[in-house]
Amino acid sequence: EIVMTQSPATLSVSPGERVTLSCRASQSVSSNLAWYQQKPGQAPRLLMYGASTRAVNIPARFSGSGSGTDFTLTINSLQSADIAVYYCRQYNDWPMSSFGQGTKLEIK
Amino acid sequence: QVTLKESGPVLVKPTQTLTLTCTVSGFSLSDTHMGVSWIRQPPGMALEWLAHIFSNDEKSYNASLKSRVTVSKDTSKSQVVLIMTNMDPVDTGTYYCARDIVVGPAIIPLDVWGKGTSVTVSS
Repeated sequence: EIVMTQSPATLSVSPGERVTLSCRASQSVSSNLAWYQQKPGQAPRLLMYGASTRAVNIPARFSGSGSGTDFTLTINSLQSADIAVYYCRQYNDWPMSSFGQGTKLEIK
Repeated sequence: QVTLKESGPVLVKPTQTLTLTCTVSGFSLSDTHMGVSWIRQPPGMALEWLAHIFSNDEKSYNASLKSRVTVSKDTSKSQVVLIMTNMDPVDTGTYYCARDIVVGPAIIPLDVWGKGTSVTVSS
């Protein structure tokens, strides 16, 4: 089983900041990596797939990078609406997959 | 507009069998490039992928739950059904269904989600 590790677990941020979230796989997943945003009480929403392709209607301030085992989600000019928990998910052996434990963004 | 909606019991007793239904609209379960996954989330915890069924009826399961989980679909009703046996309090959480799209060699994973249904396992 591929284990996904996200860091940090919690991040305190201010509006307008640039935020970088990390995700590491226990073995290579090529570019088969997605990011999801989950706000309190809501279902997750797909942000990014293929490590760097934005999903439909996702603002350009979200960007993804990485391949193999190390991946990054960057949020430029953070907005208050971006406060959420962010999960990475590898799907290298799709449809089987595994999620990271999440990174929670909090307002500083 | 593509939507998915989960339904099922709110409360089940330990050792009972859980049956959840995901009703989809805006696409067909027979579309050759579509699939549906089930994912769950214990309260305050991370997401866990459970199972998937593809348009050709091919099924995949989380290895750690494979002995307890069955997924099936009724294309005429636009429904995907998840059955989980021998429920335990640790199975308490929100259960989601979500769509996968295969576009050529690319996969758009879990692009649309249902709102989820909450299940509590307690005697």
